Amino acid sequence: GAVVSQHPSRVICKSGTSVKIECRSLDFQATTMFWYRQFPKQSLMLMATSNEGSKATYEQGVEKDKFLINHASLTLSTLTVTSAHPEDSSFYICSARSGDNQETQYFGPGTRLLVL
Amino acid sequence: GQNIDQPTEMTATEGAIVQINCTYQTSGFNGLFWYQQHAGEAPTFLSYNVLDGLEEKGRFSSFLSRSKGYSYLLLKELQMKDSASYLCAVMDSNYQLIWGAGTKLIIKP
Repeated sequence: GAVVSQHPSRVICKSGTSVKIECRSLDFQATTMFWYRQFPKQSLMLMATSNEGSKATYEQGVEKDKFLINHASLTLSTLTVTSAHPEDSSFYICSARSGDNQETQYFGPGTRLLVL
Repeated sequence: GQNIDQPTEMTATEGAIVQINCTYQTSGFNGLFWYQQHAGEAPTFLSYNVLDGLEEKGRFSSFLSRSKGYSYLLLKELQMKDSASYLCAVMDSNYQLIWGAGTKLIIKP
């Protein structure tokens, strides 16, 4: 099946710094990528949907200036958490979908962010 | 609004059978997914139903009734490694996944 990678898998940072998370589709072209956040013992929460070459669509309540999403190519999307605070500590998961198959999303392994 | 309901937690015995139910109300329907998620890991795909009926895949089966807005995931011959959260998700008319809160399944020896 299709493979999606995320980097880094785990990151610890100081409050006030920015963290960039990369999401790559390794063997297919991802026309759409999704960014999710998951707090402990809760389900996935969609943060934003990004289409290659256009601005991301953010879900209600997600600050676009705080969570910067760039989908510059068909195989790479990045999520930058700007001025991170302890409450941003979470598990961030990306998924990718190709234009050929809208029913299937392939998930990355996730990035665990801890802000001190 | 859109809503996915599934039990928060279930307990079952190794070797037994367990059924995890999911009911949904969404704007449009383009299929229902079941995912397995172990603690600290991303979800992994288990099944996809878009037509009514039962889909069997090894020890796991998934059933869908679109008229009732209902699905279940059936796990047979439970193994300890099946202890995980099971997420029900519905793809709406915009091809966006709407997620349930997940059912934590605890397997006891």
